Amino acid sequence: GNSVTQMEGPVTLSEEAFLTINCTYTATGYPSLFWYVQYPGEGLQLLLKATKADDKGSNKGFEATYRKETTSFHLEKGSVQVSDSAVYFCALSGRGATNKLIFGTGTLLAVQP
Amino acid sequence: DAMVIQNPRYQVTQFGKPVTLSCSQTLNHNVMYWYQQKSSQAPKLLFHYYDKDFNNEADTPDNFQSRRPNTSFCFLDIRSPGLGDAAMYLCATSRAGTGGFQETQYFGPGTRLLVL
Repeated sequence: GNSVTQMEGPVTLSEEAFLTINCTYTATGYPSLFWYVQYPGEGLQLLLKATKADDKGSNKGFEATYRKETTSFHLEKGSVQVSDSAVYFCALSGRGATNKLIFGTGTLLAVQP
Repeated sequence: DAMVIQNPRYQVTQFGKPVTLSCSQTLNHNVMYWYQQKSSQAPKLLFHYYDKDFNNEADTPDNFQSRRPNTSFCFLDIRSPGLGDAAMYLCATSRAGTGGFQETQYFGPGTRLLVL
């Protein structure tokens, strides 16, 4: 079945450091891929998405590229801020009207001043 | 702004006392989802509605029920909450996918349920 594997946290960085959170997936066909962010005590917010191979999703300085050859969708940001501290979830969904989201386990990012 | 609203943000109930969580949306999406998220875990889908059609996940306990009286509202009913049901409950909505593509799910802020 479909699954998502993302790097375990916590990831602790200093402000302005480069961020990478790895995400790989297993899926049949051509899933859509998502990164969601969850700030403490809040719901999930869509950060970015990509729907086909080689698509790059980007938002708020974050980027991720849909790599079919390596089945990956790694999240990157060139310079993190304290306000980026949150839990980041990689997710996929298959094709169809209501195919459910399959989430990774989440990665806690802590950015220190 | 169009959004997904969940009330209340925090709910305290007693062991075995029925509780209802609510979700409303102004996005006019035809699909609504309920997720359970326990501490430090990923959200787990309980069920979803596609218009009026209810779709239960195979491993969702019978203790959890849902109602969708109209497009805008969806309720999660926990008939007899146990201590293990304490969690964050997230509502999400999406348009139905077309042309084989999955539409993005938009989440509400969640309701944190405490069972005493």
